[in-house]
Amino acid sequence: KNEVEQSPQNLTAQEGEFITINCSYSVGISALHWLQQHPGGGIVSLFMLSSGKKKHGRLIATINIQEKHSSLHITASHPRDSAVYICAVQVGNEKLTFGTGTRLTIIP
Amino acid sequence: DADVTQTPRNRITKTGKRIMLECSQTKGHDRMYWYRQDPGLGLRLIYYSFDVKDINKGEISDGYSVSRQAQAKFSLSLESAIPNQTALYFCATRKGSYNEQFFGPGTRLTVL
Repeated sequence: KNEVEQSPQNLTAQEGEFITINCSYSVGISALHWLQQHPGGGIVSLFMLSSGKKKHGRLIATINIQEKHSSLHITASHPRDSAVYICAVQVGNEKLTFGTGTRLTIIP
Repeated sequence: DADVTQTPRNRITKTGKRIMLECSQTKGHDRMYWYRQDPGLGLRLIYYSFDVKDINKGEISDGYSVSRQAQAKFSLSLESAIPNQTALYFCATRKGSYNEQFFGPGTRLTVL
């Protein structure tokens, strides 16, 4: 069993829809990261959080430490949000364990 | 200009050849990382460095070596490339342990 599981693996939605991507993990963590990988391959960090909720523009990330679960939400989705979204958990000071990603496609 | 750069961006080589991938950063971060990404798998850590004199193996370091020539430069070498090292390689930097990582654009390596 992978330490980090993401669901769904693939998600297609219409422009404007509210999007939720889930991440579950099985180990104790010090932080959780959400990353976005563009179709061209580049990776950008979206959030790092260890408790509660963070918001940046139309993106919201939440984490429930007790349930070992995090969600990434996108409000008013747009075709430019189409990308692979990656969850990674930080165990201790340095090591990140990455999920395999959720491929999101937003149709105009 | 990009804060984290990687060279080359694409490389095709043959089995047995020595290859060096280079990473440079202008962010002044102390920590640098090398990852590889394979289809269907998450990013996996090859090596990481806290500073010039502190280099550590990651989960898949066999077949790879690294050099931290300066705080800003971290190179990854494949001494004798093999086909299963075909992958997308990313360099990343971070300031301290509890901050976001900044990724380079990636190097697509193909070993024939």
